[in-house]
Amino acid sequence: DIQMTQSPSSLSASVGDRVTITCRASQAISNSLAWYQQKAGKAPKLLLYAASRLESGVPSRFSGSGSGTDYTLTISSLQPEDFATYFCHHYYSTPPTFGQGTTVEIK
Amino acid sequence: QVQLQESGPGLVKPSETLSLTCTVSTDLIDSYYWSWIRQPPGKGLEWIGYIYYSGSTTYNPSLKSRVTISVDTSNNQFSLRLTSVTAADTAVYYCARGFGDGYNFDYWGQGTLVTVSS
Repeated sequence: DIQMTQSPSSLSASVGDRVTITCRASQAISNSLAWYQQKAGKAPKLLLYAASRLESGVPSRFSGSGSGTDYTLTISSLQPEDFATYFCHHYYSTPPTFGQGTTVEIK
Repeated sequence: QVQLQESGPGLVKPSETLSLTCTVSTDLIDSYYWSWIRQPPGKGLEWIGYIYYSGSTTYNPSLKSRVTISVDTSNNQFSLRLTSVTAADTAVYYCARGFGDGYNFDYWGQGTLVTVSS
């Protein structure tokens, strides 16, 4: 299985901050990478897929980039509703696997 | 708006079979891929497997020997059976719709906690 390693595992930030979360795959995954947001007690929500394609209805402050094994989720200006846990997810091969999550907390 | 709702027992005894059903509130179950994904309390996400509306399935190799996913297109439902459960199978179980090659999950159920305990 391809292992997905996110960093950091948690971070504290303020409203308006630029936030970057990194995901590294154990092998190249050819942009087959999605990002999800999960709030406590809720199902994950798809934010981006194919590394940089914004899902319909997701605010443009979310963006994704990367290639090969290294990918990044950026929130350009953190909003109060963005405090949550974020997971990366590869779907390059079966089984698809998820990162362990990055929790974004209020500073 | 597609809605998914999981249903089934919240408590299963060790060695028994976990059975869940997902009801899809759309007439489009005869398209897309339909997955089960689980999340142990306080932990990350694990994809269990999916079924295409045609009935073809793909499972996570780590669970393949114990998993069966089936679809009932006439009732807009798909189901999960996981046999020989242990405490390690305690998790919130989500059903989800997948697009593209089936692994981008754009709609999810609210999740249902299944506890394995005697």
